[in-house]
This record gives sequence, structure tokens and C-alpha cells, in this order.
Amino acid sequence: SQTIHQWPATLVQPVGSPLSLECTVEGTSNPNLYWYRQAAGRGLQLLFYSVGIGQISSEVPQNLSASRPQDRQFILSSKKLLLSDSGFYLCAWKGLWGTNTEAFFGQGTRLTVV
Amino acid sequence: AQSVTQLDSQVPVFEEAPVELRCNYSSSVSVYLFWYVQYPNQGLQLLLKYLSGSTLVKGINGFEAEFNKSQTSFHLRKPSVHISDTAEYFCAVSDRNTGGFKTIFGAGTRLFVKA
Repeated sequence: SQTIHQWPATLVQPVGSPLSLECTVEGTSNPNLYWYRQAAGRGLQLLFYSVGIGQISSEVPQNLSASRPQDRQFILSSKKLLLSDSGFYLCAWKGLWGTNTEAFFGQGTRLTVV
Repeated sequence: AQSVTQLDSQVPVFEEAPVELRCNYSSSVSVYLFWYVQYPNQGLQLLLKYLSGSTLVKGINGFEAEFNKSQTSFHLRKPSVHISDTAEYFCAVSDRNTGGFKTIFGAGTRLFVKA
């Protein structure tokens, strides 16, 4: 069966420090991968998605970037964190077109920028 | 672009009472529709989904939802709620004409079940 791992679960970082959140998927090949951010009262905002290795699409201009160095690995990064980057970050995967149409989510990372 | 509106940010309800969480989406093109539940500090778990066929969809934990194409709605219902149903609920949509590739979520509805 497929599983998705996301870490760390919680993170407290000072303003201006770098960020790296990692997400890996097991039990599937060629997944579509997603990073969402959840801010209080604002639902889930799609940040980045990827259809394959090295292919990244950004949905919202911001202080963050994403990379996909391997088929089942998706990384969210920042060179210098801002206070506004605080939030709950969720990684998700979906299967190929026409199959497995729901998204499967990791457990999330609670990021607090201080 | 697709958008999803969840009409209630918070819904308080007494235990064993019925509940309806409302969801409308922006476009009448062919869509996949979903409801997810999120417990505190956890990821999202799929409750139910509408892909095609019968407009009444049954999910886990006794929830069901009805797809109404003319009203572009996908309201979630449960006839009798439990304390354990207290959580945040998200409605989501993806466009089947593009393979359902991107899923757009609503802002969420916080369901609070009181004893």
C-alpha cells in the first residue's frame, strides 16, 4: 500500500533562517506531488505541484521554492524565512490521470517563524 | 479558475442532532468533488468523493453528500453526530477535463459537537 511521510512534525525557526521540509511517498510510481499551506481561517492554499522529476509549478509567488530530486521525493525550501511563512504545511500525492483521483496527505509540519 | 465556497466557517451542534455542512463550487464544468476531514494537527483524511453516477454519495463515519449540478453544490450531511465528529471539514473540487490534476480546497468548516 502507498504511504506518505512528511517531516519534521513541528519546527520553530528564527526569521531569516533557511528552511527545508521533506516529503517522500512509498508504494507508488510517478505520483503527482503537492505542497499546500494551511493558515488559520484560510483553508488550504496550493503552493507547488510536480508531475515529474525536476518539474515544478508554482501557484503563488512567495518566499518559498520546491524541488523534486527523485520520483517520490518532494522538498519545500526557503533561503530566508519571513514571519508570514508560519503555518501548517501539508504534502500530498495523487495518482496518474483518471485514476486515484483523490489526494492523499501527509501528517503535516507545523512551522512557527519567530 | 475553480473556487470553492464553504458557507459556514463554524457549525456548533448538539450530540445526536443532524448536521449539514454547505459547499458550493464556481464552475459547472465536469468536476470531481470531495469532502475531507482534519483532526487537530493532522493531515486530511478523505470522507467521500463524487466522480460520476449517483448524485448521493455515502462515505465513512456515516456521512453522505449530494451533488447538485444545477446549483453547483455538494453539501455534506450526517443524520446524527457524535462528539468524535468534532473536526474541521474541507470541501474540494478538481476539474475532470484536465484529468483532475489540481485539487482546490474551500476555507473549511469547523464542526463543534456539544454534549
